[in-house]
Amino acid sequence: EVQLGESGGGLVQPGGSLRLSCETSGFTFSSYWMHWVRQAPGKGLVWFSRINSDGSSTYYADSVKGRFTISRDNTKNTLYLQMNSLRAEDTAVYYCSRIPVGGTRAFDIWGQGTTVTVSS
Amino acid sequence: QSALTQPASVSGSPGQSITISCTGTSSDVGGYNYVSWYQQYPGQAPKLMIYDVTNRPSGVSNRFSGSKSGNTASLTISGIQSEDEADYYCSSYTSSNTPYVFGTGTKVTVL
Repeated sequence: EVQLGESGGGLVQPGGSLRLSCETSGFTFSSYWMHWVRQAPGKGLVWFSRINSDGSSTYYADSVKGRFTISRDNTKNTLYLQMNSLRAEDTAVYYCSRIPVGGTRAFDIWGQGTTVTVSS
Repeated sequence: QSALTQPASVSGSPGQSITISCTGTSSDVGGYNYVSWYQQYPGQAPKLMIYDVTNRPSGVSNRFSGSKSGNTASLTISGIQSEDEADYYCSSYTSSNTPYVFGTGTKVTVL
């Protein structure tokens, strides 16, 4: 069974840091581009970062550029998100997801999400 | 990149059909056949319901169908059931500064 599972969320003060992990199983992780999507409380889904299959290329939305870093370890089948200089507006549920290479542009599998709260 | 525009809410009685619209621009919805739709129950992760405008993943009910005309995509739920009550989001690949954009979301209520 294909599974994604996020961890590492929690309460952090403004200006602080957190590292999220997304452990995967049931598929060839190294073949997939991986993405992070977040959802602020009561709000909609927002895409903000992706990494290609071998980790050589990353992309960020302006809202997180320079503060967040996406990475992956294909030997551990795990995706990461290092979040620095956190702001109140980063408070959200963070989801990891995948899009197959060379095919659809749809996010076919999602993790259950991990909650990040930025507050003093 | 602005979010794609969806109606905030759509409702219908059991057995009726409802349609949710998703309006973008020629840089996203109108420019690519990469529109997808997601169902989300409160407190749960999104679930892919339609991909590449019209395609249903395995296991998704054939009561769900997708279409597109110009810069507007649509999700139709035929014979709506109480279990369809959820939030629905569209998404599109884009040529703008971020490669993917989601819609504003639509709350579907079964009367």
